[in-house]
Parts: sequence; structure tokens; C-alpha cells
Amino acid sequence: DIQMTQSPSSLSASVGDRVTITCRASQGISNYLAWYQQKPGNVPKLLIYAASTLQSGVPSRFSGSGSGTDFTLTISSLQPEDVATYYCQKYNSAPWTFGQGTKVEIK
Amino acid sequence: EVQLLESGGDLVQPGGSLRLSCAASGFTFNSYGMSWVRQAPGKGLEWVSSISRGGDTTYYADSVKGRFTLSRDNSKNTLYLQMNSLRVEDTALYYCAKKTVPGAISASDFWGQGTMVTVSS
Repeated sequence: DIQMTQSPSSLSASVGDRVTITCRASQGISNYLAWYQQKPGNVPKLLIYAASTLQSGVPSRFSGSGSGTDFTLTISSLQPEDVATYYCQKYNSAPWTFGQGTKVEIK
Repeated sequence: EVQLLESGGDLVQPGGSLRLSCAASGFTFNSYGMSWVRQAPGKGLEWVSSISRGGDTTYYADSVKGRFTLSRDNSKNTLYLQMNSLRVEDTALYYCAKKTVPGAISASDFWGQGTMVTVSS
């Protein structure tokens, strides 16, 4: 099975900072990669699919890139409401594995 | 408005069984694949199982294969997860999730609030 590895596992940044989270697949998955945001106590929310397509209603400060095995989620200017855990997920085929998550906090 | 309402979670002893349900509304249920994803307390997301829009194809994580059975009743707009031989490590909040794109390989754009399954003696 393909493994999904996120880094870092946690980060602390200041409001306005540019934040980057990476997700690496152990084998190529083309662009079948999604990013989810889960705020504390809340349901996961789809941010990006097809590696770089922003889900409707998601702020434009979020962006995704990558293809094959290496992917990136970028928050261009971190806001207080972005405090959350972020997960990548492959969906090219079963199993639809998630990364272990990256917890983002405000410094 | 898309709504997914899970039910059936409970406290059960190891080796026991439960059936989770997910009642869907606000979209054409029989056009979308569906999934269950779980989250153990304080842990990350774990994909559990998915089913095609017609119900003829199912997929399972290795951790539940042979113990869980996913099905759907498109006439009732409801998804079911039959969970047998439950283990302590199955303790989690179970989310029902809708695929983004009809009949295609896709991510999940709507999630229910979840139903809690606790396996303990």
C-alpha cells in the first residue's frame, strides 16, 4: 500500500506568515491528492482536491501544488482562524490513506 | 443543503457488533460514492471503507477487512456499516462522507458530525 507522510507534524507561526506543509507519497499518485482542515472539535473540511484545485468557498490564501509523489499546501498569510490540523489524503485507488496530520498553531 | 446524519454509535464489549447508519439528504444519493472515516480520540483520520454509487463495489482498510461490511439502500438514501468482532482499537468517532464528483474517483466534500463507537469491557 502507498504510505502518505506529512511534515512537519506541528508548527507554530505568526499571524501573516507564509506557512508550508508537505505531503509525500511512497509511490506516484498523479494529482489524486486532497487537503483537509480540521479545526478543534469540528468536522474535517475539504480545502483542495486534485492537488491544486481550491474547493468552493475556501479563502484564496490557501493553495496546493505538486504531482506524482510530492505535494505542498501553502497558507500565504496565516490568520488566527487557520489554527487547525491539516491532513492530506490520496484518492487514486484504495486504500484512501490519510497523512498523519500537521497541527498549525499561532506563535 | 447537503446533510449527512450518522447514528448507531454506542458502548459495546469486545467481540460485539454494531450497525452504523448514515441518512443522507440534499443531494442525489444514488449518484455518489460514499465513505466512512474514523478518528480515535486525540488521533488522526483513518479511512475505513468506501462504496460505489450503485453499491456493487466496496473497499475496506486492512484493519477492518473481514469484520466490517459496508452497504447502501438507495431507495432510503441511507448508508450502513455493519461492524462485527469489534476490538478496543475500533473505538473512534465514525464519520460518513460524500464523494465530491458523481461516479468518479474523488475526494470527500461533505462530512457528517460523526457517531461515537466505544469498545470496552
